[in-house]
Amino acid sequence: GEDVEQSLFLSVREGDSSVINCTYTDSSSTYLYWYKQEPGAGLQLLTYIFSNMDMKQDQRLTVLLNKKDKHLSLRIADTQTGDSAIYFCAEREGGGNKLTFGTGTQLKVEL
Amino acid sequence: GAGVSQSPSNKVTEKGKDVELRCDPISGHTALYWYRQSLGQGLEFLIYFQGNSAPDKSGLPSDRFSAERTGGSVSTLTIQRTQQEDSAVYLCASSSTGTGGYNEQFFGPGTRLTVL
Repeated sequence: GEDVEQSLFLSVREGDSSVINCTYTDSSSTYLYWYKQEPGAGLQLLTYIFSNMDMKQDQRLTVLLNKKDKHLSLRIADTQTGDSAIYFCAEREGGGNKLTFGTGTQLKVEL
Repeated sequence: GAGVSQSPSNKVTEKGKDVELRCDPISGHTALYWYRQSLGQGLEFLIYFQGNSAPDKSGLPSDRFSAERTGGSVSTLTIQRTQQEDSAVYLCASSSTGTGGYNEQFFGPGTRLTVL
């Protein structure tokens, strides 16, 4: 079955760039997503990338997709304390709607 | 409604009791999903409803878990004879489309279930 893996923790200093990595196994994935979960809140879609793209940029966010290695990354430029949250990557299986989520990476931004 | 709502926000129950968790999706959304978030486990897919089609129940961990969606709107997740390992945050999400497009799922705030 599908498997999505992420490292559990990342700590950065305010103003630095953060890079959160994710690996997945389903080669038929159509879309890959990054969701953000702030303390006590539900998940919110941050960005997504279609599987035929290599890169997508949206303001401070850059998503890189390496289909050959099944590796997805999220770069947050000029990380702020408000970016502290858990970040989940997710893959959507081909032909369906079901998402498989990673374990989440807790990002801590220090002053 | 403005977003996906879930009730109750917190539920404490005793082992062996049944619980019902409710989800109100965004009005007009045809797809509804239930996930379970356990500490250190990420989000685990449980069940998916799409319109009038038979639900995808492939993620339900045991036959103690069931869900229904009445009138294509509100959904109830029922856990019978709860066990301590059922303690988790149960998240509901809804989306507006079928299989086309990037199909953003909108999540509710979750129900935190604690089984003593």
